[in-house]
Amino acid sequence: ETGVTQTPRHLVMGMTNKKSLKCEQHLGHNAMYWYKQSAKKPLELMFVYSLEERVENNSVPSRFSPECPNSSHLFLHLHTLQPEDSALYLCASSQALRGTGDGYTFGSGTRLTVV
Amino acid sequence: GENVEQHPSTLSVQEGDSAVIKCTYSDSASNYFPWYKQELGKGPQLIIDIRSNVGEKKDQRIAVTLNKTAKHFSLHITETQPEDSAVYFCAALDGSARQLTFGSGTQLTVLP
Repeated sequence: ETGVTQTPRHLVMGMTNKKSLKCEQHLGHNAMYWYKQSAKKPLELMFVYSLEERVENNSVPSRFSPECPNSSHLFLHLHTLQPEDSALYLCASSQALRGTGDGYTFGSGTRLTVV
Repeated sequence: GENVEQHPSTLSVQEGDSAVIKCTYSDSASNYFPWYKQELGKGPQLIIDIRSNVGEKKDQRIAVTLNKTAKHFSLHITETQPEDSAVYFCAALDGSARQLTFGSGTQLTVLP
């Protein structure tokens, strides 16, 4: 384990379902991120939270809704997804938003399949 | 915004040979360049990084070089081993220091 835990590891959902992805970091970091990783595409930043405040939203569709209740937990709520949303969703954390520190620490991801 | 290009997309080398992966970036204000290794079923893990005030950094069999003038940086792996087989990503921290932009990844295969 890297210190960033993501659950579930795998998720299959229908287009009308509502589900949530969970991320927890045990590193005392202040910034947390959601990335989408699709096959043969660069990692796409979705959301950035710093000290529980959302500071970036990279034009992500509203069917993805993030939540950061505290600096250790990050959620991604999903509803009415499309098949093209199937991907690996990665959570990451860092010491500070602007500092480079030791870089980002990633979780193992949630493999999402939308059917 | 920042744009990072990574080459090659796939690379096969014989065990014991060296591997080199190259990246270019567009934002001259970028100042931090990490490299990540992603094994199957796992998230990316930081393996080495370099800051813009340094031209080269080495950690055992892994080294990274940075050419700020040309805006490119490279990962060098020497004496490759089968466990080096993975996808490698380069990244650049943009000038506003708000987010990392990743390259598209290189699938490295080390043949025994």
